Amino acid sequence: DAGVIQSPRHEVTEMGQEVTLRCKPISGHNSLFWYRQTMMRGLELLIYFNNNVPIDDSGMPEDRFSAKMPNASFSTLKIQPSEPRDSAVYFCASRTSGRPTDTQYFGPGTRLTVL
Amino acid sequence: GQSLEQPSEVTAVEGAIVQINCTYQTSGFYGLSWYQQHDGGAPTFLSYNALDGLEETGRFSSFLSRSDSYGYLLLQELQMKDSASYFCAVGSNYQLIWGAGTKLIIKP
Repeated sequence: DAGVIQSPRHEVTEMGQEVTLRCKPISGHNSLFWYRQTMMRGLELLIYFNNNVPIDDSGMPEDRFSAKMPNASFSTLKIQPSEPRDSAVYFCASRTSGRPTDTQYFGPGTRLTVL
Repeated sequence: GQSLEQPSEVTAVEGAIVQINCTYQTSGFYGLSWYQQHDGGAPTFLSYNALDGLEETGRFSSFLSRSDSYGYLLLQELQMKDSASYFCAVGSNYQLIWGAGTKLIIKP
């Protein structure tokens, strides 16, 4: 099993540009999470999908952020326009079911730097 | 609100034993999990407690007291590779509520 795959691993962009982060969850997992991690705010849940449907997007900072999951094997997180305060590591995680007790498997993360 | 409290940093000596505490206040409770994150890496699952008591996995043990809303992670025979951040997380509704993490510094 390849684990959760994220791309790109590093992204450097200029303020105002559009950024798209990609995630491929573990095959057979039906729950997917997008997290953001910074030194100041720690690990923050941005959005949670179950069976490709967004269940909770209350953690999405503002309208500049959007996430999609068109099928069970792919999800994107888009930031448009990007701002320096969006600089963070963005993790995607997947889980086998909707049970909160099941282990979340994290991807390697995308380190985003907005200049 | 929902919150988890854990120390921001703990320092220990190689070969020693260290305990990282976690207290929680959440609207729902479906167990306490612990994750490890090395610098530059992703969080990885360590252990899970659904019921009161101690769970042991090799050098690591985790304890839960639901009546006290408290748990801890115990690391024995510390090795330099255990230097990392450790997060407690409570299962609540459909998601995990995360603590801010404890940075474990190990000195030779």
